[in-house]
Amino acid sequence: AQSVTQLGSHVSVSEGALVLLRCNYSSSVPPYLFWYVQYPNQGLQLLLKYTTGATLVKGINGFEAEFKKSETSFHLTKPSAHMSDAAEYFCAVKGEGGSEKLVFGKGTKLTVNP
Amino acid sequence: NAGVTQTPKFQVLKTGQSMTLQCAQDMNHEYMSWYRQDPGMGLRLIHYSVGAGITDQGEVPNGYNVSRSTTEDFPLRLLSAAPSQTSVYFCASSYGRGRVAFFGQGTRLTVV
Repeated sequence: AQSVTQLGSHVSVSEGALVLLRCNYSSSVPPYLFWYVQYPNQGLQLLLKYTTGATLVKGINGFEAEFKKSETSFHLTKPSAHMSDAAEYFCAVKGEGGSEKLVFGKGTKLTVNP
Repeated sequence: NAGVTQTPKFQVLKTGQSMTLQCAQDMNHEYMSWYRQDPGMGLRLIHYSVGAGITDQGEVPNGYNVSRSTTEDFPLRLLSAAPSQTSVYFCASSYGRGRVAFFGQGTRLTVV
C-alpha cells in the first residue's frame, strides 16, 4: 500500500529564508505526487503536482518540488519565505492499482517569523 | 464555476443524532471522496465513489454511509453520531487517473 511520511510536524523559518518541507513516499508503482496547502480554516489548495515527465515541478507562489525516484522523495522548497506562506502543507500520493485514492502525509505546519 | 460545495460549514450534534453532510460538484468529475481531518493525523479517506451507483470504503469507514445517485452529489451520512466523529470533513472530486483532486471548504462537526 502507498504511504507518505512528512518529516517534521512543525517547521519554523525567518522571512526571506529558504523553505524546505520534506516528503518521502512508498509506492509499488510509479506514483502521482501532490503538495497541497491549507490556510487556517480553509480547504486544501493544490500547490503543485508530479505525474510524469520533468522531475522538477514548479507550482504556485514560488514553490517547487523535485521528484527523486532513487530517494523516494518529493521535497517542497521555496527560496525565500514570505509571511503569507504560513500554513499547513500536505504531501499526498496516489496511483497504486489505478486508484484515484489520495494518501496523505500527516502535514507540516510552517511558521514564518518576521 | 462553484467547484466543490459542502454544506453545512459548521454543525453541532448530540451523541446518537443522525445527519447528512452534503457535497456537490459541478465539474462533471467521475471520482468523489470524503476525508476527515484530525490534528496530527493528516487527512484520512472515509468513502469514495468512482461514478454514479458505485461506492467503496476507504481507510476509516465505520460509522459512515454514502451513496452516489448522480454524478454531481455525494452525501455522507452519520447514522448515530459519536464524540469520536468530531472532526473536519472534506469532500473532494477529480476527473480521473492522475488528475488533480479539488477540495471543498470543509464541514466542521462537533459531537457532544
